[in-house]
Amino acid sequence: EVQLVESGGYLVQPGGSLRLSCAASGFTSSTHWMNWVRQAPGKGLEWVASIKLDGSKIYYVDSVKGRFTISRDHAENSVFLQMNSLRAEDTAVYFCPKSSRGAYDDWGQGTLVTVSS
Amino acid sequence: DIVMTQSPLSLPVTPGEPASISCRSSQSLLRSDGYNYLDWYLQKPGQSPQLLIYLGSSRASGVPDRFSGSASGTDFTLKISRVEAEDVGIYYCMQALQTPITFGQGTRLEIK
Repeated sequence: EVQLVESGGYLVQPGGSLRLSCAASGFTSSTHWMNWVRQAPGKGLEWVASIKLDGSKIYYVDSVKGRFTISRDHAENSVFLQMNSLRAEDTAVYFCPKSSRGAYDDWGQGTLVTVSS
Repeated sequence: DIVMTQSPLSLPVTPGEPASISCRSSQSLLRSDGYNYLDWYLQKPGQSPQLLIYLGSSRASGVPDRFSGSASGTDFTLKISRVEAEDVGIYYCMQALQTPITFGQGTRLEIK
């Protein structure tokens, strides 16, 4: 059974940094992709970043380029999102779904990031 | 960027009745492998999203067969043959053809 557990969400001031973690279990294929998707309070879903698990490809939405970095640790079967220069508009629940053939087939429970002074 | 437009945004349905949600993409989602890279997700109240349909018309594992997806060019449809109370929530379409990956605005299905 696939399990995805996000952690690291917190209350942080504008301009601050956070590192989100996503612990994955139940699969190890390097052909999968891992992604970060966020949902601002009361709003819809927004794709943030994706990484192929062999590390060969990484993509970001324009609004986070240069501020966020997605990475993975094969040994720990984890994916991370380093978030710098945080803004109020980054406030959201962050999910780390796994994807196969483009479909986000497994999701974790999400972790809440609040950017506020 | 590919824009995904859903309709309606709100959908009240009587239990046992059918329901249909439309999603239109601003460009073709057909890839060279012959598949439309369009998925449907349901986010039930207080829960994470769950995959319902992938590649336009394939049901995800464990999804009841009352859910079906279809495609015609850049128009995609999610149909529920007989709505049940457990189907309430927000339905999203998502294009996975190219980055940035983009979602529709969401359609809120409620029981009458």
